[in-house]
Amino acid sequence: ILNVEQSPQSLHVQEGDSTNFTCSFPSSNFYALHWYRWETAKSPEALFVMTLNGDEKKKGRISATLNTKEGYSYLYIKGSQPEDSATYLCAFVRGSGYSTLTFGKGTMLLVSP
Amino acid sequence: SQTIHQWPATLVQPVGSPLSLECTVEGTSNPNLYWYRQAAGRGLQLLFYSVGIGQISSEVPQNLSASRPQDRQFILSSKKLLLSDSGFYLCAWNTEEGFADTQYFGPGTRLTVL
Repeated sequence: ILNVEQSPQSLHVQEGDSTNFTCSFPSSNFYALHWYRWETAKSPEALFVMTLNGDEKKKGRISATLNTKEGYSYLYIKGSQPEDSATYLCAFVRGSGYSTLTFGKGTMLLVSP
Repeated sequence: SQTIHQWPATLVQPVGSPLSLECTVEGTSNPNLYWYRQAAGRGLQLLFYSVGIGQISSEVPQNLSASRPQDRQFILSSKKLLLSDSGFYLCAWNTEEGFADTQYFGPGTRLTVL
């Protein structure tokens, strides 16, 4: 069983705060890392797929970095808005790309106005 | 554009009863298809994936099975449900790069086994 850990488990911030979460995964046999946002009553929505060590991706106020050698990825949200409230999931892909995909339990973010 | 459908949206079934959940994708050909489950207090768990008609890979041995009778149809089944089968079931699709490619999720089915 692969260990994909996300921290913190939950986070409550005020509108305008910037925040970040961590996804930790095995540092060996890395293939790809996904970030998804899952809002209540909706389907998970893809944010980023990252494949190269040192990758940095950005989508609006959300950005992510990747360190495959030490086995972690950070997701940053700049100037959080109430609509950013959701559970943020990371998923680790090992090996050849068709081997397996393992999700973390997610970080639940609540942004208060 | 591509869309993915799942039904039913919610289901309440007694222990020991059979199960059939259906997922269909429109607007693409030969997609990779996936079944996931989120049980209470746990992360999304990959159950099955399929790269083509009749090709099913199982990630977790259990009393569930999957079938792909048509290119864009993926079915999750059980002959006898267990209490532990309760959860939220998601179907997803992508193309080409398998697990490294972005996955697109359906609306999900909430299954409660009593």
